[in-house]
Amino acid sequence: AQSVTQLGSHVSVSEGALVLLRCNYSSSVPPYLFWYVQYPNQGLQLLLKYTSAATLVKGINGFEAEFKKSETSFHLTKPSAHMSDAAEYFCAVSYGNNRLAFGKGNQVVVIP
Amino acid sequence: DARVTQTPRDKVTEMGQEVTMRCQPILGHNTVFWYRQTMMQGLELLAYFRNRAPLDDSGMPKDRFSAEMPDATLATLKIQPSEPRDSAVYFCASGLVVGGNAEAFFGQGTRLTVV
Repeated sequence: AQSVTQLGSHVSVSEGALVLLRCNYSSSVPPYLFWYVQYPNQGLQLLLKYTSAATLVKGINGFEAEFKKSETSFHLTKPSAHMSDAAEYFCAVSYGNNRLAFGKGNQVVVIP
Repeated sequence: DARVTQTPRDKVTEMGQEVTMRCQPILGHNTVFWYRQTMMQGLELLAYFRNRAPLDDSGMPKDRFSAEMPDATLATLKIQPSEPRDSAVYFCASGLVVGGNAEAFFGQGTRLTVV
């Protein structure tokens, strides 16, 4: 079964510091990969997606992610955290069967 | 600004009652997903439709849950009878799925509380 792993349910980061959220997928078949963000009492919003066009993907709000096939990873980064980045972040994968499977999520807390 | 619309936003109901959640997908999207979000289980895929036909509803408890798409502008998720363990946020999402690229656009969810 397709799956993604996100370690560390809660991530604390200081304002202005690097944000790094890790995502690993389980498959030898290249997947489609996504990062979504969820603000309190809101639905999920797409941050960025990997669809094999380029390994480094830039998204909204200054986020980017790099697809590394050798590591089966798709980690999300942002060079400088802002207070408005406090939210829950989900990595998701699709293997071409129309199903989108989500990781458990990372709750990001930004410390002033 | 195209968006997925879900109604109601919040629903409190008594155990045993029927609950119907509605979703209006984005016009032109060919796939509709229903997800359930809880603290314990995270985001679970309940069912999804392609061109209004159900493709997979293996994530749904069949005895009490049902999902339908009466037309291209409406998807429904029903629970009958509802139970306290059904309390969760239910999300509808739609997408234009081409070649397996299942990018989904989410509604704001229905927060269901069964007491």
